[in-house]
Formats: sequence, structure tokens, C-alpha cells
Amino acid sequence: EDQVTQSPEALRLQEGESSSLNCSYTVSGLRGLFWYRQDPGKGPEFLFTLYSAGEEKEKERLKATLTKKESFLHITAPKPEDSATYLCAVQAGYSGGGADGLTFGKGTHLIIQP
Amino acid sequence: NAGVTQTPKFRILKIGQSMTLQCAQDMNHNYMYWYRQDPGMGLKLIYYSVGAGITDKGEVPNGYNVSRSTTEDFPLRLELAAPSQTSVYFCASDPVGGNSPLHFGNGTRLTVT
Repeated sequence: EDQVTQSPEALRLQEGESSSLNCSYTVSGLRGLFWYRQDPGKGPEFLFTLYSAGEEKEKERLKATLTKKESFLHITAPKPEDSATYLCAVQAGYSGGGADGLTFGKGTHLIIQP
Repeated sequence: NAGVTQTPKFRILKIGQSMTLQCAQDMNHNYMYWYRQDPGMGLKLIYYSVGAGITDKGEVPNGYNVSRSTTEDFPLRLELAAPSQTSVYFCASDPVGGNSPLHFGNGTRLTVT
């Protein structure tokens, strides 16, 4: 059974204090690992897709990295507007197409205090 | 370009009532999905569709039904609502399946009492 575990469940940082969120996974043949951001009362918004170990992607203050067992979302010098819940999801290799083989983690609730 | 639109935003149902959650997308995406999100839990797939006229069960389909008569619309039907169906429901779409990112609506918060 595919599993995705995100840690910590919640994280409170001061503005400018860099940190990392973790996503550990077990999946039958990874096709892709996704990061989404979810604001309160909104649907998840796509951030990154990573496909293979060693891959890195960046967007503003966020950088996502991938190994064979986990992914990290590094947040550099965060601002209050980075406060959100960050979701990780893995796409299994057995899925016939589409997101039917997608498993989501429970998310990390990030709060950036001014 | 509205993306994925869900209605209503909020709804309270009594046990045993029925309702339809509406989802429409204007991006001409073939793939559409319904998820539920419970507090402290990951998103769970209820049903999905790979194109008009084709639907399939996800991980948690019991108590729900779907139809896909057009590319744009993918309604979710709840028959005989139960308290266990209290949740936030998200509709999503993507153009080609595989590893393409999902586009989510802003959800319907449903309470069954």
C-alpha cells in the first residue's frame, strides 16, 4: 500500500527564519511527487512536480528536492504570506492514467509570524 | 477563465436527505476527480472520470454516485446522507492524466446532522 507521511504536522516560524518540511513516501514505482499549497477555505494549488531522485525545483522562496525515500520543501527567509498548509502527494507507477493512483499526505500547517 | 467552479460553497443536510454537489470546468480537461478532505487526514479520492461517459470508483466511493455527460460537468450525488459524509469536498481536473498537476476548485463544506 502506498504511503505518504509529512512532518512536522505544524510548524511556527518567525519571519525570515528558514526551515524545511519533510515528505516521506513508500510507493510502487514512483511516477511523480507533487507539492501543493492550500490556503484556508481554498482548494490546493500546484507548486512543483519532481520525477526522479536528485531533482530540484525552485519558485521564489521555495525549493523542493527529491531522494528515493523522501522529499523536502525548503523555505528560505519566509514571509507571513507563505503561511499555508503544504501538501505532498505521490503518483504510483501502476496507475492507468490520471490521478487515480495519487496518494496525498496529511499536510504540514505552516505559520510565519511577523 | 474561471478554472474549476464548485457549488454550493456550504450546505447543511439532515440525515437521510439527498443532494448534488456541482462541479464545472472551462479548461476542456478530460480528467476530473472528486476528493473529500477530513480534518487531519489526506485527500481521499471518491470517484474519477477520464472523459465524458466514463467514470470509475476511487478509494472511498460508498454512499456516492457520479455522472459525466459532458466534458465540462462532473456532479457528485449523495443519496441518504449520513454523518460520516460530513467533510469538505473538492473537485479537480487535469488535461491529460499521468503526471499532469491537478486544478482544484475551492470546495463545498458539507455538514450532515
